[in-house]
Amino acid sequence: AQSVSQHNHHVILSEAASLELGCNYSYGGTVNLFWYVQYPGQHLQLLLKYFSGDPLVKGIKGFEAEFIKSKFSFNLRKPSVQWSDTAEYFCAVNPRLWVGGGGNKLTFGTGTQLKVEL
Amino acid sequence: NAGVTQTPKFQVLKTGQSMTLQCAQDMNHEYMSWYRQDPGMGLRLIHYSVGAGITDQGEVPNGYNVSRSTTEDFPLRLLSAAPSQTSVYFCASSPPRARGGPGGIQYFGAGTRLSVL
Repeated sequence: AQSVSQHNHHVILSEAASLELGCNYSYGGTVNLFWYVQYPGQHLQLLLKYFSGDPLVKGIKGFEAEFIKSKFSFNLRKPSVQWSDTAEYFCAVNPRLWVGGGGNKLTFGTGTQLKVEL
Repeated sequence: NAGVTQTPKFQVLKTGQSMTLQCAQDMNHEYMSWYRQDPGMGLRLIHYSVGAGITDQGEVPNGYNVSRSTTEDFPLRLLSAAPSQTSVYFCASSPPRARGGPGGIQYFGAGTRLSVL
């Protein structure tokens, strides 16, 4: 079975600081990779995704993530955070082998709580 | 467009009570799932369904039942609530994927915050 590790559980940054959140997964096959975000009081929403091709993917609100296959990593980055980025961030993996409806199963990491201070 | 709708938003139960958390989606998605979110543990899959009449267990299915009689609805039943089931529950749905195609994009409901006393 696959697993996802997020190394930072709580991160506190000042506005304009750079952000990097770590994510590593364990799975022997090819995967689709995701970052989901949960703003305070809201439901989870997709931040960005990697399926194939360019390992550097860009998402909404200036976020990007880099897939490094050799390191089984998919770290999230943002050059300059804003107070509105305060949220919980979840890395997730979906094995590409699955097909049909069951092919949408996600395994989530434990999440990183980001607080951005003014 | 409503997306994924969960009711109720909040619920308090006593130990041993039963209840049903409702989830409905209007996107004609075949795949639906239930997660529970606990501090420091992320989201853990309880049950999922790949279409009407088909359900399967996830990572933490004990104490929960599901059924899928229609494409739109996927209720989660707590048979006899326990304090360990205090959590935030999220329902999510996804369109089907083909072999090697992009899967894993899920649309989440707003969640149900459940307390079991």
